[in-house]
Amino acid sequence: EVDLVESGGGLVQPGESLRLSCTASGFRFDRRAMHWVRQAPGKGLEWVSGIGVSAGPTKYAASVQGRFTISRDNSKNTLFLKMDSLRAEDTAVYYCVKGRGVLVLGAFDYWGQGIMVTVSS
Amino acid sequence: DLQMTQSPSSLSAFVGDRVTIACRASRDIGTALAWYQQKPGKSPRLLIYGASILQSGVPLRFSGSGSGTEFTLTVATLQAEDVATYFCQGYSSGFQTFGQGTKAEI
Repeated sequence: EVDLVESGGGLVQPGESLRLSCTASGFRFDRRAMHWVRQAPGKGLEWVSGIGVSAGPTKYAASVQGRFTISRDNSKNTLFLKMDSLRAEDTAVYYCVKGRGVLVLGAFDYWGQGIMVTVSS
Repeated sequence: DLQMTQSPSSLSAFVGDRVTIACRASRDIGTALAWYQQKPGKSPRLLIYGASILQSGVPLRFSGSGSGTEFTLTVATLQAEDVATYFCQGYSSGFQTFGQGTKAEI
């Protein structure tokens, strides 16, 4: 059974940094693209970033380009999202998401339970 | 850029009704289209990918159609457990974009 468990969320002030982690199990982690998708309170879904099977390529939404960095450690079945220069508009539930295939572009077949990130002074 | 527009934004129907949700892409994306269901307080669930391919384990009352810029999600006979918000997602030419969602109520 596929399981994706996020950690590292919380409350931070504007301009601060945070690193999210996602531990995966139940599938060959090194053979699937992985993503982060977020959902602001009461809003829709926004794709944030994706990464290919061998730590590349990496893709970002325009709203986070240059501030967020996605990475993965295939030896530990773990996905990361380093978030710098956080803004109030980054406040959201962040989901760790498994891609259906090896390409960064594609549908998402499993989602974690999500973790809340709140940016507020 | 790629924009995805869903309609309607919300709907109300009876159990047993046939329900249709539309999704329009701002440019031709072929069949690079997925549909997700998100129940209140839960994570999204993949229903359809490739515009019309049913994800394993999804009830057969769900179906998808369309190509190019116009797509449709159909629920053949709406059930009480189908109360949820439904999102389309286009994935093409470097973009991954969700529609704004359609909230379905009984």
